[in-house]
Amino acid sequence: GNSVTQMEGPVTLSEEAFLTINCTYTATGYPSLFWYVQYPGEGLQLLLKATKADDKGSNKGFEATYRKETTSFHLEKGSVQVSDSAVYFCALNGGANNLFFGTGTRLTVIP
Amino acid sequence: DSGVTQTPKHLITATGQRVTLRCSPRSGDLSVYWYQQSLDQGLQFLIHYYNGEERAKGNILERFSAQQFPDLHSELNLSSLELGDSALYFCASSATQGDNSPLHFGNGTRLTVT
Repeated sequence: GNSVTQMEGPVTLSEEAFLTINCTYTATGYPSLFWYVQYPGEGLQLLLKATKADDKGSNKGFEATYRKETTSFHLEKGSVQVSDSAVYFCALNGGANNLFFGTGTRLTVIP
Repeated sequence: DSGVTQTPKHLITATGQRVTLRCSPRSGDLSVYWYQQSLDQGLQFLIHYYNGEERAKGNILERFSAQQFPDLHSELNLSSLELGDSALYFCASSATQGDNSPLHFGNGTRLTVT
C-alpha cells in the first residue's frame, strides 16, 4: 500500500540555519511526490513537487529531490527565516490525485 | 487565498448529532476532495468527487457521506457524531481528476463534538 513516513517534530532552528526534514515513502510504482506547507489557521498550500525519479522540486528557497533508490524526498533549505515557521507535510499521489500525507513536521524558527 | 471556501469555520455540537459541512471549490475546478485532520490520525483522505460523481473513497466511515451538486459545491454530512470525530475537516479542489492537477485547500472547518 501507499504510505509516507516523515521526520517527527517539532523542529526548532535559529534564523539562517540549514533545514532538513526527512521523508520516505512506500508505494507501488513511482508516484508523484509533494511537499505542502500549512501556516497557522490556514489550509495546506503546495510548496513543491517532483513527478519522476531524480527530479528536483524547488520553490521559495526550498528544495527536494526524488530519490528512487532510497524512496526518499527530503526537504531542505539553506537559510531559514522566521516566516518559514509552519507545519510541513510530505505527500504522495496514490493515483487519481488522491494524496497520502505524512504526519507533518512543525518548524519553528527563532530570531 | 486559495479560492476554496469552507463553511462554517467552527462547529460545536453534541454526541449523536448530525452536521453538514460545505465547500465551494475554486472557480472552474471540477474535482472536490475531503480530508480529515486529527491529532492522532494525521491528515486522512476521505472522499473524492469529480463533476458530481464519486470517484474514490478513502478512510471514510459509514456514518459519513458526501455529495457534489450541479453547481459543483460539495457537502460532507457527518451523523451519529462521536467524540473521536472532533477534527479539522479540509476540502480541496482541482481543475481535473487527472494525476498532478494541483490541489487547492480551503482553510478548513473545525468540528468539536462534546
